[in-house]
Amino acid sequence: DSGVTQTPKHLITATGQRVTLRCSPRSGDLSVYWYQQSLDQGLQFLIQYYNGEERAKGNILERFSAQQFPDLHSELNLSSLELGDSALYFCASTLGGTGAYNEQFFGPGTRLTVL
Amino acid sequence: DQQVKQNSPSLSVQEGRISILNCDYTNSMFDYFLWYKKYPAEGPTFLISISSIKDKNEDGRFTVFLNKSAKHLSLHIVPSQPGDSAVYFCAASLYNAGNMLTFGGGTRLMVKP
Repeated sequence: DSGVTQTPKHLITATGQRVTLRCSPRSGDLSVYWYQQSLDQGLQFLIQYYNGEERAKGNILERFSAQQFPDLHSELNLSSLELGDSALYFCASTLGGTGAYNEQFFGPGTRLTVL
Repeated sequence: DQQVKQNSPSLSVQEGRISILNCDYTNSMFDYFLWYKKYPAEGPTFLISISSIKDKNEDGRFTVFLNKSAKHLSLHIVPSQPGDSAVYFCAASLYNAGNMLTFGGGTRLMVKP
């Protein structure tokens, strides 16, 4: 158990809909990262938050957004869903942000299926 | 443009023997490298890491080697155990760029009893 929790575990929805994925980092960790794992793209970085502020963006679509709340949990919002958004979404947390060698600890993931 | 590549999608090894998983990268700015293990329906689990100032790091049965001139790293597992059967991902990060991980495509290791 990494100490990172993600809800829900599974999500099935229809095209055009909007969903919210939730992540609670390990106790004491300030940085949260979101990754997407799809069959053809592997694990890809989406976005990072550090202590409530956005720090880095990867290949995140404009239809996707995220935020980190004062209690450090994070939410990833996916809107106008398309079939191609079906994937595993992982959250990872680590103590530091930029400028620190910290291993990232991953949650169990949320499997999103768009029908 | 894949900056981190694992060219072997799968590897089969006998229990007790050495497993060697390989990873190549193209971005010479990467300065921290990690290996993760992933079981089905679980998130990646951190195994071992190495910074670019070292060429070897050991932790129990796991050793990571880094060859910066060749932009190549490898993970050695000795001795291999059936419980090591999983998908292994190498990842690279940049110290001053938020430490987001760039992953390879993974290698599925099967350790046969």
